[in-house]
Amino acid sequence: DQQVKQNSPSLSVQEGRISILNCDYTNSMFDYFLWYKKYPAEGPTFLISISSIKDKNEDGRFTVFLNKSAKHLSLHIVPSQPGDSAVYFCAASGRAGSYQLTFGKGTKLSVIP
Amino acid sequence: EPEVTQTPSHQVTQMGQEVILRCVPISNHLYFYWYRQILGQKVEFLVSFYNNEISEKSEIFDDQFSVERPDGSNFTLKIRSTKLEDSAMYFCASSERSPLTTDTQYFGPGTRLTVL
Repeated sequence: DQQVKQNSPSLSVQEGRISILNCDYTNSMFDYFLWYKKYPAEGPTFLISISSIKDKNEDGRFTVFLNKSAKHLSLHIVPSQPGDSAVYFCAASGRAGSYQLTFGKGTKLSVIP
Repeated sequence: EPEVTQTPSHQVTQMGQEVILRCVPISNHLYFYWYRQILGQKVEFLVSFYNNEISEKSEIFDDQFSVERPDGSNFTLKIRSTKLEDSAMYFCASSERSPLTTDTQYFGPGTRLTVL
């Protein structure tokens, strides 16, 4: 039951270029979306979120875009830095009465110096 | 910066033994959660807790699992009789308000549970 899908298990990008991480969801009841970053042996660290009433949210080098009609969101990192190398998880919440986050499988980003 | 803490960082136990995983949520947060991640798999929701009772639980959270907030600061997950398939990273999270109002959950560093 993959309600949140991250179809690219890995992504390599040159330092300074844009990283684009993609996420698709199937449940139309989701109304809040989050991106988390995770280093090995650490917990997920919150990066940025977006509510379904918006289509874009920006925080420094990080921008999240939401396309509700396509049930698709993306995280843009510009410019990419070597310290951005980590696993990025997309998560969604908001099914009526539900508190849980539903996670994707993650995309491992490698930023090459 | 306030953070969620978890102890121990690694717990090794024999199958059939009881384990208690401990978490200290961020102090002004009211909602608490446990998630787990089996190696190579997704992070999965286990349970949410508010006002000293379970708000929601997944099908993973069976009778072998329990949670409590024994002293107003700690939040614990107990597995009564561990099985090999309980081996995973267990993450605690907390949030300030209900996620229904677009709140954000903040995660601890995790406890790696190894069941032998």
